[in-house]
Amino acid sequence: AAGVIQSPRHLIKEKRETATLKCYPIPRHDTVYWYQQGPGQDPQFLISFYEKMQSDKGSIPDRFSAQQFSDYHSELNMSSLELGDSALYFCASSFTGELFFGEGSRLTVL
Amino acid sequence: QQQVKQSPQSLIVQKGGISIINCAYENTAFDYFPWYQQFPGKGPALLIAIRPDVSEKKEGRFTISFNKSAKQFSLHIMDSQPGDSATYFCAASTGRRALTFGSGTRLQVQP
Repeated sequence: AAGVIQSPRHLIKEKRETATLKCYPIPRHDTVYWYQQGPGQDPQFLISFYEKMQSDKGSIPDRFSAQQFSDYHSELNMSSLELGDSALYFCASSFTGELFFGEGSRLTVL
Repeated sequence: QQQVKQSPQSLIVQKGGISIINCAYENTAFDYFPWYQQFPGKGPALLIAIRPDVSEKKEGRFTISFNKSAKQFSLHIMDSQPGDSATYFCAASTGRRALTFGSGTRLQVQP
């Protein structure tokens, strides 16, 4: 069965650089969620989209933005990267309320 | 403030034993309570979920017990195996809103 696809899987950036993460939800899923997970931490909700419109907002820094495109894929844009942004970023998709997570994108900021 | 409180933080169980992880929540609007299993460097995988209209749900070796009046729910893993060693997260949500996760329990099943 198709799963949530995230790219890139690993990303290394310098401080103050920008990064873009991509998420391709499971086909026919209409809701996408972005989460950030630090080492040893639980996933923290950043932002979500339902039918290409922002539906909910969590603890997403102002330096981050996201959008969902007409083909339902989503991108998380992160600017002015800080050391503390180093984390695993997960995308999840849903149709009925059950969230299915991708394998994540590991961002390392040096 | 953690909206979903999970305990214990870590758990060591012998192979064949029962692993029990507990969660408590405050928001009575929550209507969906899943459990996720996560291996290092991997995404959380949905294990089992329950809605508040039932008090128990069993899938294979995994059982969720739900106590609406106490606002608590728990995961029981029967006949625990070394392959079950992972971090387990409880979570809760309302409608299509994002999941709020517990702090996680690191389970180690010893052979």
